[in-house]
Amino acid sequence: QSVLTQPPSASGTPGQRVTISCSGSRSNIGSNTVAWYHQLPGTAPKLLIYSDNQRPSGVPDRFSGSKSGTSASLAISGLQSEDESDYYCATWDGSLRVLVFGGGTKLTVL
Amino acid sequence: EVQLVESGGGLVQPGGSLRLSCAASGFTLTPYWMDWVRQAPGKGLEWVANIKQDGSVKNYVASVKGRFTVSRDNAKNLVYLQMNSLRAEDTAVYYCAREVLGGTAHWGQGILVTVSS
Repeated sequence: QSVLTQPPSASGTPGQRVTISCSGSRSNIGSNTVAWYHQLPGTAPKLLIYSDNQRPSGVPDRFSGSKSGTSASLAISGLQSEDESDYYCATWDGSLRVLVFGGGTKLTVL
Repeated sequence: EVQLVESGGGLVQPGGSLRLSCAASGFTLTPYWMDWVRQAPGKGLEWVANIKQDGSVKNYVASVKGRFTVSRDNAKNLVYLQMNSLRAEDTAVYYCAREVLGGTAHWGQGILVTVSS
């Protein structure tokens, strides 16, 4: 059972906009910044978003992050087939003093 | 080019030990927190431990406290994860990562640790 709750799956058609949620608590999302990763099978995770809504260089602006209270969201607009991947949110939990990941969301492009 | 390369994984019996190494190249370790993250077969990501720039602060997930030790040698640009009293549930791909939550995050390719008799 992950400290951060993500839906196990999400889907969309090419061109659509999809959002993936990440729900936490005051001790993690509520008081620390959130990062988002995507991971293809057999490969290392790659950073999509850091500090809630910042994109590293090279990440398309189709990807955006937001946060409100104890929940964060990743939005992907103009969905493409290559976006089919597993997505994870992550943050620091100040009470547990651990870094926590969400359980992951498998995005399917129909 | 920034690279992190893990080594030292493999098959070990329950109760055994392994030491993972993470060699950094293309950058100097000194300014960065370093993390270890693992992923059991078919499962999600689980953070294991991290270590502050000068090694003065180390944090661990509860399941490895007292069994795993993270350390670093900034002069050699190396990070280590000493794993003792290994259990079957420690079987995973272990990733070395630079500042998982930061804008400069970078991960190694991962190395498999299998704990089995």
